[in-house]
Parts: sequence; C-alpha cells; structure tokens
Amino acid sequence: DIQMTQSPSSLSASVGDRVTITCQASQDIVNYLNWYQQKPGKAPKLLIYDASNLETGVPLRFSGSGSGTHFTFTISSLQPEDFATYYCQHYDNLPPLCTFGQGTKVDVK
Amino acid sequence: QVTLRESGPALVKPTQTLTLTCTFSGFSLSAFGMCVTWIRQPPGKAPEWLARIDWDDDKFYTSSLKTRLTISKDTSKNQVALTMTNMDPVDTGTYYCARIRMVAGTQLFDFWGQGILVTVSS
Repeated sequence: DIQMTQSPSSLSASVGDRVTITCQASQDIVNYLNWYQQKPGKAPKLLIYDASNLETGVPLRFSGSGSGTHFTFTISSLQPEDFATYYCQHYDNLPPLCTFGQGTKVDVK
Repeated sequence: QVTLRESGPALVKPTQTLTLTCTFSGFSLSAFGMCVTWIRQPPGKAPEWLARIDWDDDKFYTSSLKTRLTISKDTSKNQVALTMTNMDPVDTGTYYCARIRMVAGTQLFDFWGQGILVTVSS
C-alpha cells in the first residue's frame, strides 16, 4: 500500500505569513494528489487537484506543486479564515483507492 | 446546486450492522463520470476512504474493510447506502459521503455531505 507522509503535523503562523506543507508518497504517484482544508465540525473542502490545479472558487493564495513522490502546498499570505487542518490525499484508478495524509493543523502563533 | 446528506443511527452496539444512507441532489449518478464515495474520520484523526460506487454500478472497497462493507445505489431515489457489519468501538467516527466527478482520470471529490457522527458503544 502507498503511504502518504505529511509534514509538519502542526505549525503556528501569523496572518500574512507564507505557509508551506509537504506530502511525501512512498512510491511514484505521478500527480494523483489532492489537497483539502478542514475546519472543526466541517467536511473537508477540495482546494487543489492533481497536485497543482486550483479548484473553482478557491482563492489564488493557495497553490500546489510537485510530482512523483514529493508534493508541496503553499498559502502565500495566510488569512484569518485559513486557520484549519490541511490534508493531502492520493487517489488512484487502477485499482481505485484513496489515501489521506495525517494532516497539518495550522494555528495562531 | 449539488448537495449530499448522510442519515442513519447515531449510536450502534458492538457486533451490530450499521446502515447509512446518502441522499443527494443536483446531479445524476447515472451520468458518465459520476461516483459517490464514503469516507470516515475517527475523532481527531485523518479521513479514511471506505467505498465508492460509480455511474455504471462498479463498486470498490478499501482492502482492510472489504469483507465488512457493502455499497449500493438507488438511482431513482438519488440515494447511496453503505452497510458495515460487525461494528466495533474503533469504528466510531464521523462518516461522510461525497461526490466524485471523474474527468479524464482525475478524481474530483468536489462536494461533501455534512457528515454523521456514529458512536459504537454498548
């Protein structure tokens, strides 16, 4: 099974900071990677699909990059509404499966 | 407007079978590329994918729980059901259904239900 290792598990930041989260796959997953934001008591929200594509309606301060085994998620200038937990997610079609990273909690510094 | 809503029991006893229903609107599960999936999240932990059913009635399960899960759809009612047998306290968590839109191999988990908290306890 492919393992997704996300880091850090938590970070403290201030409004306006640049925030970077990484996700490492245990084997080549091409670009089959999505990023989600989750706030307490809410469902995850899709932000980035296929490693670097911004989902419709998601602010431009969110971005993703990477391919193969190493992926990066960036918030260019943290806003108050961005304090949340972020997850990477690998999906595949052959066979169909889906694996989430352990999550990164972004809280107030 | 796409919406999904989970329904089912909030509390089940160990060894019982859990049946959850996802009622959706705003799309057809008969349309090419549409799928509905179930994902659960134990308290304070990461989400875990459980199962998926596709527009063509193909069904897929996570390998670790395959023997306990059954997913089915009723297209006329816009519903997808998930049953999980032999429930255990470790199965406690929030269960979500979500739409997956398949576009040229890309899986977009683009709409989610609000989730239902299921507690397994005697």
